[in-house]
Amino acid sequence: SQQGEEDPQALSIQEGENATMNCSYKTSINNLQWYRQNSGRGLVHLILIRSNEREKHSGRLRVTLDTSKKSSSLLITASRAADTASYFCATDGGYDMRFGAGTRLTVKP
Amino acid sequence: DADVTQTPRNRITKTGKRIMLECSQTKGHDRMYWYRQDPGLGLRLIYYSFDVKDINKGEISDGYSVSRQAQAKFSLSLESAIPNQTALYFCATSDFSGRDEQFFGPGTRLTVL
Repeated sequence: SQQGEEDPQALSIQEGENATMNCSYKTSINNLQWYRQNSGRGLVHLILIRSNEREKHSGRLRVTLDTSKKSSSLLITASRAADTASYFCATDGGYDMRFGAGTRLTVKP
Repeated sequence: DADVTQTPRNRITKTGKRIMLECSQTKGHDRMYWYRQDPGLGLRLIYYSFDVKDINKGEISDGYSVSRQAQAKFSLSLESAIPNQTALYFCATSDFSGRDEQFFGPGTRLTVL
């Protein structure tokens, strides 16, 4: 079964707006990662946040982690049409990783 | 050249046929993984290997087998393909540094008729 579940399943916004995606998980984790996938291609790692961290930034990305609520959020600021992709959270609870079903983000120019 | 390569990129086969998907990496990573992706279900782990002598089943290993021929090569086999194995298959690698970032290949689109 999947560990992480993203919400919403799909998100459509205008260029320049911010996009927020959420991830909930069920068991204890060592870290949580976010990946991006352009249609039909391999996943690309965006950012990793460890269980003892609460917030992390990378360029236009901001990730938060709340281990008490077993949830994380990914914020993309000032979105661009090129940000159109599917975004997945992945949790590492030990030896393997579990991916959610993803959020499909569409950024309209 | 890509760090993680997969062959073939596309394959159409018939029910009952044996299929092998191959993955090679030039990143020098010890850990390698095979995932399948189905629409709406995200990625699910099939098998993973932490070194040449280590093979572990993932979430959905039934109907699949793997071989770690060398540090750089990890193959996935479908001994007798069935239609519900139609999916997008990804190989990934990671190192032991503790970063745990995974690097993905471009994927193999497999269709079983």
